Amino acid sequence: SQKIEQNSEALNIQEGKTATLTCNYTNYSPAYLQWYRQDPGRGPVFLLLIRENEKEKRKERLKVTFDTTLKQSLFHITASQPADSATYLCALCPLSGGGNKLTFGTGTQLKVEL
Amino acid sequence: DADVTQTPRNRITKTGKRIMLECSQTKGHDRMYWYRQDPGLGLRLIYYSFDVKDINKGEISDGYSVSRQAQAKFSLSLESAIPNQTALYFCATSDSKTYPTYEQYFGPGTRLTVT
Repeated sequence: SQKIEQNSEALNIQEGKTATLTCNYTNYSPAYLQWYRQDPGRGPVFLLLIRENEKEKRKERLKVTFDTTLKQSLFHITASQPADSATYLCALCPLSGGGNKLTFGTGTQLKVEL
Repeated sequence: DADVTQTPRNRITKTGKRIMLECSQTKGHDRMYWYRQDPGLGLRLIYYSFDVKDINKGEISDGYSVSRQAQAKFSLSLESAIPNQTALYFCATSDSKTYPTYEQYFGPGTRLTVT
C-alpha cells in the first residue's frame, strides 16, 4: 500500500542553523509534491511545490529537493528562526487525479530554539 | 477576514446525534474538500467536490455525507456520530485554474468530540 513517512520525532535546532526535514514514500509515483506548514490549532498553509522533473525549488529561506529514484523529498529552512517553529507536512499528488487527491504525511514538528 | 471559514470551531456531541459542519469560502475557488486529522494518522480525505454538481468520495467517506449548496459552501454531515469520529476536521479549497498543481487552502478547523 502507499505510504508516506515523515520523522515523527520533533526536530530541535538552534536559531540560525539550517533545518532539514525528510519525506519518504513507497508504492507511489507522484507527479509532484507539496509542503505545508501547520501551527497548533490552525489549518495547514501551502509553502512550496516541486514537480517530479524538478530536482530543486527555492523560495526565500526555503529549499525543497525531490529525488524520485530515492523516493524522497528534503525540505530545508536556512537561517532558521523561532518563528519557523511549527509542524511541516508533505503531500503527494499522483499522476492521475489532477491534484484533487493529495496524500499527506503525518508531519514533523520543528522547534527552533534561541 | 478569513478566506475559508468553518463553523462551529468546537463541538461536543453525544453518540447517535446528527451533526453538520459548515464551510464557506470567499476565494472564488471551484474545488472544495473535507479532511479529518487524527494524531499519528495525518490528514485524510473524506469527500471532495469539483463543482456544485460533482461530489466524490475520498479515502474515508463511510459514516459521512456532504452537500455542496453553492460554489462557496460545502457542508459535512455525520448522520449518527460515533466516538471514533472524534477528530479535527478541516475544509480546504483549490482553484482548477492552477492546473496541474491545485495547491490547497485550508480553513481553521473544527474540533469535534463525540462522547
